[in-house]
Amino acid sequence: DAGVIQSPRHEVTEMGQEVTLRCKPISGHNSLFWYRQTMMRGLELLIYFNNNVPIDDSGMPEDRFSAKMPNASFSTLKIQPSEPRDSAVYFCASSLTGGSGANVLTFGAGSRLTVL
Amino acid sequence: ILNVEQSPQSLHVQEGDSTNFTCSFPSSNFYALHWYRWETAKSPEALFVMTLNGDEKKKGRISATLNTKEGYSYLYIKGSQPEDSATYLCAFKAPGYSTLTFGKGTMLLVSP
Repeated sequence: DAGVIQSPRHEVTEMGQEVTLRCKPISGHNSLFWYRQTMMRGLELLIYFNNNVPIDDSGMPEDRFSAKMPNASFSTLKIQPSEPRDSAVYFCASSLTGGSGANVLTFGAGSRLTVL
Repeated sequence: ILNVEQSPQSLHVQEGDSTNFTCSFPSSNFYALHWYRWETAKSPEALFVMTLNGDEKKKGRISATLNTKEGYSYLYIKGSQPEDSATYLCAFKAPGYSTLTFGKGTMLLVSP
């Protein structure tokens, strides 16, 4: 398995533009997580899907952020419109039965977003 | 909101030194404790998952212990090497919470 695949690896965009980040989880994993990493807050959970259904989106900062998981092998995180304070590294992770807590997360390489 | 604290925030040691750092979590409600190793420009990778009080796990020169009654876990590195330089994250899972809560990590730098 190629692991969790994220794209793009780097994105530089201007304030107000729409940004779409993509994630392909490990085949067979039924839980998918989007995290944001910043110096101030560390690694914070944005949203968690289980069997393609959003279970916990309490970490999504505001309405400008949305996430979808149309099938078991693909998820997107969209920011519209983007703002400079959204600049961060966004990680996608997947696991088996993520809610159990005893299964490790496998992280993607991350998408580094810079909003000018 | 669950509070997961890691200390120290950063650590600089010489090659060959042994070191340890701490993860503190709420002791009243426990399900699992994870440790991850995160090298610069890479993604976090799992080291250990511990679920029972008194658990001890070992992988090479790295080991971890768990005390759920007092709410802490230690990560030990014996004979640190420059390739051990990374940020070490712990993550806590409580019953009733759907996901892990991560600490902010301990950044370790091992100088040759």
